[in-house]
Amino acid sequence: NAGVTQTPKFRVLKTGQSMTLLCAQDMNHEYMYWYRQDPGMGLRLIHYSVGEGTTAKGEVPDGYNVSRLKKQNFLLGLESAAPSQTSVYFCASRAIAREAFFGQGTRLTVV
Amino acid sequence: SQQGEEDPQALSIQEGENATMNCSYKTSINNLQWYRQNSGRGLVHLILIRSNEREKHSGRLRVTLDTSKKSSSLLITASRAADTASYFCATFDSNYQLIWGAGTKLIIKP
Repeated sequence: NAGVTQTPKFRVLKTGQSMTLLCAQDMNHEYMYWYRQDPGMGLRLIHYSVGEGTTAKGEVPDGYNVSRLKKQNFLLGLESAAPSQTSVYFCASRAIAREAFFGQGTRLTVV
Repeated sequence: SQQGEEDPQALSIQEGENATMNCSYKTSINNLQWYRQNSGRGLVHLILIRSNEREKHSGRLRVTLDTSKKSSSLLITASRAADTASYFCATFDSNYQLIWGAGTKLIIKP
């Protein structure tokens, strides 16, 4: 039982490049979330999903897209990376009305 | 927008002392959760307290919930160096989103 797995763990992008972050969970959770966390700050919700095939915008969705084609996977895409997207990205999943489980994070630097 | 707000933002105490952190929220809740984050790592769930509960214990942790004041507190007793971390409270909003505060940074001095 791996829980929530994020890939990659580290990435450096040049401005304008694109990339996809993968979040995989093996707990059959309905809800999945993508957050970003900037230094000394709390979590800010980018996008979330309440089930397979559904996605919704969070607090800071601009510049990101997501897809949930399979229940266990939640992908976060950056179409054209900007330095302002330098951050640590966390994925989380949870069952209905239960606690969230987090991945270990992806540290992204955009130069 | 952030619903949970932790207080204080930072707390530094001696090892062995008790640490208390507070969280306030704005809307009605079904439950409230506390998480710990070690530097640069993902968040780890500590304890969940339901809206019909007033107090809950887990090891050295004690959480209280006052729904009339829309507030919760996390007490860590007999603190250890390993408790050094940031602590966050979270609640759910009507859209199933987890709403987070900015966290309390706890430093335990040896």
